[in-house]
Amino acid sequence: AQTVTQSQPEMSVQEAETVTLSCTYDTSESDYYLFWYKQPPSRQMILVIRQEAYKQQNATENRFSVNFQKAAKSFSLKISDSQLGDAAMYFCAYRSASYNTDKLIFGTGTRLQVFP
Amino acid sequence: KAGVTQTPRYLIKTRGQQVTLSCSPISGHRSVSWYQQTPGQGLQFLFEYFSETQRNKGNFPGRFSGRQFSNSRSEMNVSTLELGDSALYLCASSLMGQRQETQYFGPGTRLLVL
Repeated sequence: AQTVTQSQPEMSVQEAETVTLSCTYDTSESDYYLFWYKQPPSRQMILVIRQEAYKQQNATENRFSVNFQKAAKSFSLKISDSQLGDAAMYFCAYRSASYNTDKLIFGTGTRLQVFP
Repeated sequence: KAGVTQTPRYLIKTRGQQVTLSCSPISGHRSVSWYQQTPGQGLQFLFEYFSETQRNKGNFPGRFSGRQFSNSRSEMNVSTLELGDSALYLCASSLMGQRQETQYFGPGTRLLVL
C-alpha cells in the first residue's frame, strides 16, 4: 500500500522569504502523480502544484516549485517570496496512475504560518 | 462556472441517528470522490463514483454508503452515527476521473455528532 509522510507538523516563514515543506512517500508503482494541496483556514482545498512521476523536470507554478527525487521518494515544495496569503495547511498527496481512479492518499499536513 | 458545492455546510446530530450529505460537482464533471477529514486520522478516502457506479472504496465500515445520480450529483449516507464520525466531509470532482485530470474540492460539510 502507498503511504505519504509529512514530518513537519508546523513551519513558519517571514514574509518575502523562502520556505520548503517536506514530503516523502512509499510506493512500489513506477507511474503515479504527486500533488501539493493548500487548505486555508475555513476555506476549501485548492491544488497548488502537481508532478507526474515519469517527468524528470520539476514542476513550477509561479512562486511554487517542487524538488522531485524519484529514487529517494521525496517530493518537497518550495515557496518563494512568501506572502501572508500563503498561510494555510499544506497537504502532500499521491495518486496512482496505474488504475482509473481519483483516489488521493494524503499526508498529515504541514501548517504554514507567515509572519509580516 | 460554479465550483463544487456541498450541502449542508454544518450539521449537528446525535449518536444513533443517520445523516445524508450532498455534493454537486462542477458542471460536466462525472467523477465524484468523498473524503473524511479529522484531526486524528487526517484525510481519508471514503469512496469514488463515476457514471453512477462506485469505482473505488476506502476502508470504512458499512455504515458509510454513497450513491451518484444521473446528473452526477452524489450523496453519502452515514447510518447509526458514532461520536467518532464527527469530521469535515469533503467531496471532489473531476471531469472523467482519468489520471491526468485535476480534482476540485468543495468547501466541505462539518458534521458534529453529540
